[in-house]
Amino acid sequence: GENVEQHPSTLSVQEGDSAVIKCTYSDSASNYFPWYKQELGKRPQLIIDIRSNVGEKKDQRIAVTLNKTAKHFSLHITETQPEDSAVYFCAASSGGGADGLTFGKGTHLIIQP
Amino acid sequence: NAGVTQTPKFQVLKTGQSMTLQCAQDMNHNSMYWYRQDPGMGLRLIYYSASEGTTDKGEVPNGYNVSRLNKREFSLRLESAAPSQTSVYFCASSVTGEGRDTQYFGPGTRLTVL
Repeated sequence: GENVEQHPSTLSVQEGDSAVIKCTYSDSASNYFPWYKQELGKRPQLIIDIRSNVGEKKDQRIAVTLNKTAKHFSLHITETQPEDSAVYFCAASSGGGADGLTFGKGTHLIIQP
Repeated sequence: NAGVTQTPKFQVLKTGQSMTLQCAQDMNHNSMYWYRQDPGMGLRLIYYSASEGTTDKGEVPNGYNVSRLNKREFSLRLESAAPSQTSVYFCASSVTGEGRDTQYFGPGTRLTVL
């Protein structure tokens, strides 16, 4: 089955700086890669996703890149703000999401004032 | 439009007791999922239902059963709870296919097995 590795487990950046979280996946058939943000005690919420026919996608301060050859994808957050502090999860699916997601173990992003 | 709802929010069980976690969605989604979340482990898929009338095992199905009662409802049953099943359980739903794969999560059920 699919295996998703996520790094780093904790990331501390100064407010206003950029943050990058990286994930690798094992199943070359995976074609859907979402990123979720989870605040303490809350449900995971989708912040951005990318499909295998696209190399990069942006939404305001958030961007995701995908390298299918190397089987890795990354989340980029620019101009970080205190409200960006949370745990971020990457995930992958080979069925476009229909057969469930395989998640990474999460990155705790800390924004230092 | 409540989205995905789960009951109960919290539950404490003794080892060997049984219980059913309920999940419902009002978004007319065809696919529904159960995940568990343990500290440092991310979310792991227990079971999923790609459409009404079908269910399939995920990564960690042992000790659980599911029922897709209708298009809206998907329940998770623990027949004989064990301390290893202490976790936060999330239900999710999605419309799949044609690029509409976003999974929406419920608020979670925090389960403790003593």
